[in-house]
Amino acid sequence: EVQLVETGGGLIQPGGSLRLSCAASGFTVNSNYMSWVRQPPGKGLEWVSVIYKDDRTYYADSVKGRFTISRDNSKNTLYLQMNTLRAEDTAVYYCARTIFGVVPSYFDYWGQGILVTVSS
Amino acid sequence: QSALTQPASVSGSPGQSITISCTGTSSDVGSYNLVSWYQQHPGKAPKLMIYEVTKRPSGVSDRFSGSKSGNTASLTISGLQAEDEAEYYCCSYAGRSTSIFGGGTKLTVL
Repeated sequence: EVQLVETGGGLIQPGGSLRLSCAASGFTVNSNYMSWVRQPPGKGLEWVSVIYKDDRTYYADSVKGRFTISRDNSKNTLYLQMNTLRAEDTAVYYCARTIFGVVPSYFDYWGQGILVTVSS
Repeated sequence: QSALTQPASVSGSPGQSITISCTGTSSDVGSYNLVSWYQQHPGKAPKLMIYEVTKRPSGVSDRFSGSKSGNTASLTISGLQAEDEAEYYCCSYAGRSTSIFGGGTKLTVL
């Protein structure tokens, strides 16, 4: 059974850093494409980042230069390192397995989400 | 890049059909047959309902169907049931390895 479990969220001050983890089971992250999607409280979904099987990474303009997606194949875990956090980064963050045809096509499995609150 | 445009809300009675539209541009919805739809109940993670415009994942009811014309994609739910009440989001590939979501549509089953 495919399962994704996010951890590492919490309350952080503006300008601070946080690393989210997404532990996968039922499949291997290094043989799949993986993404982060976030959802501010009461608002819609926003794509954040994707990592390809060959380790290429891509980001939304809103987080480029501040966030870094990575994975640890030995732990079968996806990460999102978030630096220079802003109030507008406050959201529930979801990791999602990404199905790739010629390009990223859709997200078939999602974690339960983890809340990140950026506030002083 | 602005979010895809969805109506904020739609409603229907049990047994009826509803359609949710998702309007993008020639750079996203109009250029790729890579529109997907997600259902989200309050406090839950999104669930894939439709992918690649018209395809249904295993286990999703055939009451859910998708289509696309030009820059607008649509999700149709037939035979509305109480459990269909949820928020629905469309998503499209937007080029340069990025994806873009719609703003979401709240479906109310009357």
